[in-house]
Amino acid sequence: EDQVTQSPEALRLQEGESSSLNCSYTVSGLRGLFWYRQDPGKGPEFLFTLYSAGEEKEKERLKATLTKKESFLHITAPKPEDSATYLCAVHSGGGADGLTFGKGTHLIIQP
Amino acid sequence: NAGVTQTPKFQVLKTGQSMTLQCAQDMNHEYMSWYRQDPGMGLRLIHYSVGAGITDQGEVPNGYNVSRSTTEDFPLRLLSAAPSQTSVYFCASRDPGLQEGYTFGSGTRLTVV
Repeated sequence: EDQVTQSPEALRLQEGESSSLNCSYTVSGLRGLFWYRQDPGKGPEFLFTLYSAGEEKEKERLKATLTKKESFLHITAPKPEDSATYLCAVHSGGGADGLTFGKGTHLIIQP
Repeated sequence: NAGVTQTPKFQVLKTGQSMTLQCAQDMNHEYMSWYRQDPGMGLRLIHYSVGAGITDQGEVPNGYNVSRSTTEDFPLRLLSAAPSQTSVYFCASRDPGLQEGYTFGSGTRLTVV
């Protein structure tokens, strides 16, 4: 059974204070690891797909990395508009065609 | 390009009533799926489809039915609503390569009283 665990559950940072969010996973045959951003009352918004260990992707102040057991979402010099819940999910090679999600990290950036 | 469109945005049902949540996508994606999101839990897969005429069960399928008669539409039916089905429901679609991940709709917030 695929499992995704995200930590911390919540994180409060000052504007400009860099940090990382963690996503640990166990999966039978990883086809992709995904990061999403979700704002209150909205659907998840796609950020990154990572396919194999060692892969990195960047977008503005966000950088996602992948190892065989974990993924990190690094946030550099965050701004208040980066406040959101960040979701990690995996897609495995066997079974249902769908994503297994973690519970998310609720990030608050204070001005 | 509208992406994934879900209707209605909000719905209140009485226990035992039935209803259909609508989902349509205009990206010509073969793969579509339904999720529910509950407080303190991650999104969970209800049903999915890999193409018109093909559907299958996800992690939490009980109490829900789906059909896929066209590539564009993937409705979710609640046969006899129960309070345990109070949740936010998201529809998603994807392309075969996963490079752009799954595109999600804006959700339907359902309350069963």
